[in-house]
Amino acid sequence: EVQLVESGGGLVQPGGSLRLSCAASGFTVSSNYMSWVRQAPGKGLEWVSVIYSGGSTYYADSVKGRFTISRDNSKNTLYLQMNSLRAEDTAVYYCARDRLRGQPDAFDIWGQGTMVTVSS
Amino acid sequence: AIWMTQSPSLLSASTGDRVTISCRMSQGISSYLAWYQQKPGKAPELLIYAASTLQSGVPSRFSGSGSGTDFTLTISCLQSEDFATYYCQQYYSFPYTFGQGTKLEIK
Repeated sequence: EVQLVESGGGLVQPGGSLRLSCAASGFTVSSNYMSWVRQAPGKGLEWVSVIYSGGSTYYADSVKGRFTISRDNSKNTLYLQMNSLRAEDTAVYYCARDRLRGQPDAFDIWGQGTMVTVSS
Repeated sequence: AIWMTQSPSLLSASTGDRVTISCRMSQGISSYLAWYQQKPGKAPELLIYAASTLQSGVPSRFSGSGSGTDFTLTISCLQSEDFATYYCQQYYSFPYTFGQGTKLEIK
């Protein structure tokens, strides 16, 4: 079965760091473009970052310089390293897979989400 | 960044109704548009990609149309399980952007 399972969320103080993980099964993370999308409580969806199959990365302006997307091919796992966290980063974080390999496409597989709360 | 205007933000309808949700872009995106359905506490699910192609397993009462800057999601005969929030998303250029969402509620 093709699925994504996130972990690593929790409560962190402003200025702190957290690393989210997204374990994939049923497909190879390095073959598809993989993104992180977040949703603040009661709000809409916000795209955060993408990593291409070739390794290129892109970020939303709101997280550029603070967040880093990466993957471990041997573990078939996607990561999001989040530093200098702010209250406005509080959200459910989803990992998502582009439908087609090797090109931008819609997100056809989503994880269940992991909650990140930034608060003192 | 490409700005998206999704409307309406709230839609009240009854089972069996036909409803339409609109998404307008600040610039042309060809057909690089997707529609998602999200239910409370759940991850979004892909309904339509490439503006008008139905994702596998999605009921045929869902349809999408449009290209360039104006797009529409239509649900032809509402079922009880369709009451949810719907989002459009462009994947034409970074940063990818989502519409503000349309909450479809029971009248």
